[in-house]
Amino acid sequence: GAVVSQHPSRVICKSGTSVKIECRSLDFQATTMFWYRQFPKQSLMLMATSNEGSKATYEQGVEKDKFLINHASLTLSTLTVTSAHPEDSSFYICSAGRGGEQYFGPGTRLTVT
Amino acid sequence: DQQVKQNSPSLSVQEGRISILNCDYTNSMFDYFLWYKKYPAEGPTFLISISSIKDKNEDGRFTVFLNKSAKHLSLHIVPSQPGDSAVYFCAASAPPSGTYKYIFGTGTRLKVLA
Repeated sequence: GAVVSQHPSRVICKSGTSVKIECRSLDFQATTMFWYRQFPKQSLMLMATSNEGSKATYEQGVEKDKFLINHASLTLSTLTVTSAHPEDSSFYICSAGRGGEQYFGPGTRLTVT
Repeated sequence: DQQVKQNSPSLSVQEGRISILNCDYTNSMFDYFLWYKKYPAEGPTFLISISSIKDKNEDGRFTVFLNKSAKHLSLHIVPSQPGDSAVYFCAASAPPSGTYKYIFGTGTRLKVLA
């Protein structure tokens, strides 16, 4: 158990467009999900905590209007990168909390051209 | 301010030998520590964890040691296998428990040589 999926796994978009990434807990319910981004050879940077039924909590320095998070159900959280720019190109990873641990999705590679 | 540090970006070990990955932290409020393994273009997978009330936790080939006074933890892998080659992240969390929020280190790339 404790499987987390992400969709899409890879996406290429043009500068100025918006991209939505989905994170699903497949076999458990998660009241809390997290969104991270990882730059090459760097740590996982927590962007925000997504809470089911309430507003996401963003980490310092993360633009909430640019990275929209919606946790509409106990098994789904979405991250929308709005008006994407090339510097938003990164590896985005979500995780879901269960039993005191986090279970990570496989990640989404976003490339903004 | 990096609260969780992994000062060795990479480590090479011969197959069959012991791999020791180190992690230091600065926040004395951290009470739960974890190690994750990550392959390129994949999400991290949980390896092993330890609560601050313990100083050692063992699971098969993996053992995590915690030295609270030194604010240091280490992951021992023995014997090391080529399939262990990956990036290893340590992570820490602080109360209140159940919030799941972790602070990750910068990772150590382990290469196990056959």
